Amino acid sequence: DTGVSQNPRHKITKRGQNVTFRCDPISEHNRLYWYRQTLGQGPEFLTYFQNEAQLEKSRLLSDRFSAERPKGSFSTLEIQRTEQGDSAMYLCASSEGLANYEQYFGPGTRLTVT
Amino acid sequence: GESVGLHLPTLSVQEGDNSIINCAYSNSASDYFIWYKQESGKGPQFIIDIRSNMDKRQGQRVTVLLNKTVKHLSLQIAATQPGDSAVYFCAEDTGNQFYFGTGTSLTVIP
Repeated sequence: DTGVSQNPRHKITKRGQNVTFRCDPISEHNRLYWYRQTLGQGPEFLTYFQNEAQLEKSRLLSDRFSAERPKGSFSTLEIQRTEQGDSAMYLCASSEGLANYEQYFGPGTRLTVT
Repeated sequence: GESVGLHLPTLSVQEGDNSIINCAYSNSASDYFIWYKQESGKGPQFIIDIRSNMDKRQGQRVTVLLNKTVKHLSLQIAATQPGDSAVYFCAEDTGNQFYFGTGTSLTVIP
């Protein structure tokens, strides 16, 4: 296993378009997290899954954002009607266990909305 | 919302010296804390963690100290090397959400 992978690594889109990102966690990791990070800031929690169940969503996750993890393995994060303020690095992380376990991060997907 | 903050946004140290990065957290119910290192263009990388039932934990060249009384966390890096130059984040786990601080940029001067 080579760790958490994310695709694409970079995405440039025009305002108003929809985008979808994919995260493949480390095999057998139960938890999968999505974060957003802007320049000079720490990652901001968006949501997490325990297997296929989405257990927590931040208030940062507006109704334009939706995340899925249909089979408890890979996850997708979709942003509809993108806005310039959505430009950021979107990070995915996974961890084993139910809670309080080290999270392994992927390289992120950098989104630029023009 | 929760608040995890760092006292100093930047830190410069001479190669070979020890580094200390501090962090304050606000949720007394948080029971798990992690330090991450992030290099430019990469995702955060785990350094060391500590649970709330401990006040000190040591790794290879790194030590984390937890003071629950004042809700303070610190990361000590011994014999700092140029490869340690990065942004360091502390993070707290409330069980349902995970909060990162703003980060401290560490620069190691050769």
